[in-house]
Amino acid sequence: DADVTQTPRNRITKTGKRIMLECSQTKGHDRMYWYRQDPGLGLRLIYYSFDVKDINKGEISDGYSVSRQAQAKFSLSLESAIPNQTALYFCATSAGAPDTQYFGPGTRLTVL
Amino acid sequence: GENVEQHPSTLSVQEGDSAVIKCTYSDSASNYFPWYKQELGKRPQLIIDIRSNVGEKKDQRIAVTLNKTAKHFSLHITETQPEDSAVYFCAASNSNYQLIWGAGTKLIIKP
Repeated sequence: DADVTQTPRNRITKTGKRIMLECSQTKGHDRMYWYRQDPGLGLRLIYYSFDVKDINKGEISDGYSVSRQAQAKFSLSLESAIPNQTALYFCATSAGAPDTQYFGPGTRLTVL
Repeated sequence: GENVEQHPSTLSVQEGDSAVIKCTYSDSASNYFPWYKQELGKRPQLIIDIRSNVGEKKDQRIAVTLNKTAKHFSLHITETQPEDSAVYFCAASNSNYQLIWGAGTKLIIKP
């Protein structure tokens, strides 16, 4: 869905580095989410935001932080990357909750 | 804690046959149950969803059934086609309006 974009699409970094993943949407949705996908584990929620002033931890928030800069932008940061954070990261948005979530194309992150 | 179990993890069916994927959930407050399809290298996309006030919903070859008493719901795909090959995820909402996801089912359609 071209209305939800993520940058970068691929990133290789080293242990200990700080990295930021960015998500932008033009769908006008208030609710945004960051997920991590690992093979055989499905999608796990890292953080979610129901509006600009509302940030909530998900199932696996340790080692991650987020910033909701505007309704349309939601960034995920790894303050000090470690190898077990190697995964596929998805941003998603929804108009309501619970409701259909629209996913970005994903960012493949490799931590060496 | 809250969890969603999905079975089987891999399902191989002959083209034209039906496929059924089953999920069970633990949170009695769950009231929204979507199914997503993820093709290789692509993002998950919603294919069908159901809310707790409905027992069954159909959309062409796809149907979802919900049994709230037993806390399980199922995806049914009839007349399977090669383009149905993908990973399918179920999810259930929790009391915080988040989605709890199953681990996924890889569906393989054999020609």
